[in-house]
Amino acid sequence: QKEVEQNSGPLSVPEGAIASLNCTYSDRGSQSFFWYRQYSGKSPELIMSIYSNGDKEDGRFTAQLNKASQYVSLLIRDSQPSDSATYLCAVSTGKLIFGQGTTLQVKP
Amino acid sequence: DVKVTQSSRYLVKRTGEKVFLECVQDMDHENMFWYRQDPGLGLRLIYFSYDVKMKEKGDIPEGYSVSREKKERFSLILESASTNQTSMYLCASSLAQGAQQYFGPGTRLTVT
Repeated sequence: QKEVEQNSGPLSVPEGAIASLNCTYSDRGSQSFFWYRQYSGKSPELIMSIYSNGDKEDGRFTAQLNKASQYVSLLIRDSQPSDSATYLCAVSTGKLIFGQGTTLQVKP
Repeated sequence: DVKVTQSSRYLVKRTGEKVFLECVQDMDHENMFWYRQDPGLGLRLIYFSYDVKMKEKGDIPEGYSVSREKKERFSLILESASTNQTSMYLCASSLAQGAQQYFGPGTRLTVT
């Protein structure tokens, strides 16, 4: 079992819809969770961090953490074509472990 | 803002050449990392460093070495480049172990 798992996609949503990206992790002791966005040919950039159970909202982005079920998700409301990218989940277990990423396509 | 810079955005080298990739961060971070990223394989950790002159192997260190003589600079060395080292190389830094990492723009290396 991989330490951090994401569905590689592509996840395709129409413009204006909600995109839901999911990530599961294996280490119950994980404390910090991050979402990175990576455009094609570019480097990853941090868009959200979450440390406690529940929801954290930042503009159109909401991160959700459920430590009991060992999953973290990212919701993107009112998806735009500019949101088309690969989204990497990263989980801290003392070191930062990255998932392989989910590719999101937002179609106009 | 944290800034991580890498010496080249694109690099073309020949098989057998010695290749140096340089990374510099300006936020006094203790931790620095080198990854390579290939389609379908995600980010793979090559080497990391938690202090000056300190280095630890990551998941795929074979064919690579590193140098960290100063806190702000972390170099990745390909002793004898091979075609299977053609990849995107990403440097990152972080304030603490397990903390969020800040990435440089990446170097796309082609070995012919």
